[in-house]
Amino acid sequence: DGGITQSPKYLFRKEGQNVTLSCEQNLNHDAMYWYRQDPGQGLRLIYYSQIVNDFQKGDIAEGYSVSREKKESFPLTVTSAQKNPTAFYLCASSEGDTQYFGPGTRLTVL
Amino acid sequence: AQSVTQLDSQVPVFEEAPVELRCNYSSSVSVYLFWYVQYPNQGLQLLLKYLSGSTLVKGINGFEAEFNKSQTSFHLRKPSVHISDTAEYFCAVNDAGGTSYGKLTFGQGTILTVHP
Repeated sequence: DGGITQSPKYLFRKEGQNVTLSCEQNLNHDAMYWYRQDPGQGLRLIYYSQIVNDFQKGDIAEGYSVSREKKESFPLTVTSAQKNPTAFYLCASSEGDTQYFGPGTRLTVL
Repeated sequence: AQSVTQLDSQVPVFEEAPVELRCNYSSSVSVYLFWYVQYPNQGLQLLLKYLSGSTLVKGINGFEAEFNKSQTSFHLRKPSVHISDTAEYFCAVNDAGGTSYGKLTFGQGTILTVHP
């Protein structure tokens, strides 16, 4: 089956630790995206990548980093510089103008 | 810059009643419009999209939406809802000219709750 997978589904982190969220797609899409979702705020774009080895900051990139070494993978690292990292994180990939989403990772900072 | 406003944060309805979820957008260029649905603790699923052509767009699960350029609206409708339609719905816009590199701007979401 083609799709987008995110792991883990739930993640707990202590303050001051970096943590990496995985996103993999087998849809052969060039573009991939990371969003953060908080209650009542919709989705906000963290980073996006149009092609391998290239990525751009979104609206709320501070405290996050990404890499795009392979077409199918776009991992997101939440660094200790992110002041309020507890949220639901969604990865997406796109074919043309339509984005398709993974199941999400819920990150909780203890 | 684009923006999306979903006019209702919560919409309660009874089963088998009709429903309309309202979405207005602001953009200085032509747009593509989308509605997504999100069930609790899951990702977003595409309901329908408007790219061009007919302004009435039909999607999955019996939903439809109408693009109104003069009112800059893209309201989502369903003539008869089911309990299983309880979810959060997001309206989103993309720059049709391609200068936003496929980036979507989302509304804040509308929680639809269907009561028996």
